[in-house]
Amino acid sequence: GAGVSQSPRYKVAKRGQDVALRCDPISGHVSLFWYQQALGQGPEFLTYFQNEAQLDKSGLPSDRFFAERPEGSVSTLKIQRTQQEDSAVYLCASSLPVAAYNSPLHFGNGTRLTVT
Amino acid sequence: DAKTTQPPSMDCAEGRAANLPCNHSTISGNEYVYWYRQIHSQGPQYIIHGLKNNETNEMASLIITEDRKSSTLILPHATLRDTAVYYCIVRVVRGLAFGKGNQVVVIP
Repeated sequence: GAGVSQSPRYKVAKRGQDVALRCDPISGHVSLFWYQQALGQGPEFLTYFQNEAQLDKSGLPSDRFFAERPEGSVSTLKIQRTQQEDSAVYLCASSLPVAAYNSPLHFGNGTRLTVT
Repeated sequence: DAKTTQPPSMDCAEGRAANLPCNHSTISGNEYVYWYRQIHSQGPQYIIHGLKNNETNEMASLIITEDRKSSTLILPHATLRDTAVYYCIVRVVRGLAFGKGNQVVVIP
């Protein structure tokens, strides 16, 4: 079946521009996660949703970062006034309900954001 | 969050079994151990997970010690395509807390 789909695959933005990154989770997966991965590092947690509710946004690095999932399916990660330090791969993952620790996260291939 | 410790890198011979160690001495009783791998330019790929019993699937086997403080991922017949960064992770409420992983290189 279809996996987690992210778009665009690559994004180049000039410093100060706003960007929007899209994630289509696996159908039926109520939990959705966003991660940021800098070059040579492991993914770092940003935020997660259960259905449309954003239950934890403690990993968002600043108030320029905003995530939404209005209908409990597709999610968008928005970064306002991009800075060079925002350059990274942004990964989305989905899973069955997060309380079920016996449930793997399935990742997309990410969006590579480069801020020039 | 329970932390995991892995070697930063290791080499394995093609065709041989690859044994990847992981320590998770602060793991709680209801926390699962997950293994993922990541190949360059791709998202992390799920391999296997377990709570206390050993597990096996088409990709690998997971051996968890009786005290649950460590585990070993076994790739039974390593191929060149198994070269990747392997992450051993304890599943938490916020999903997965990745470390830096173990860069595994399979050598012909």
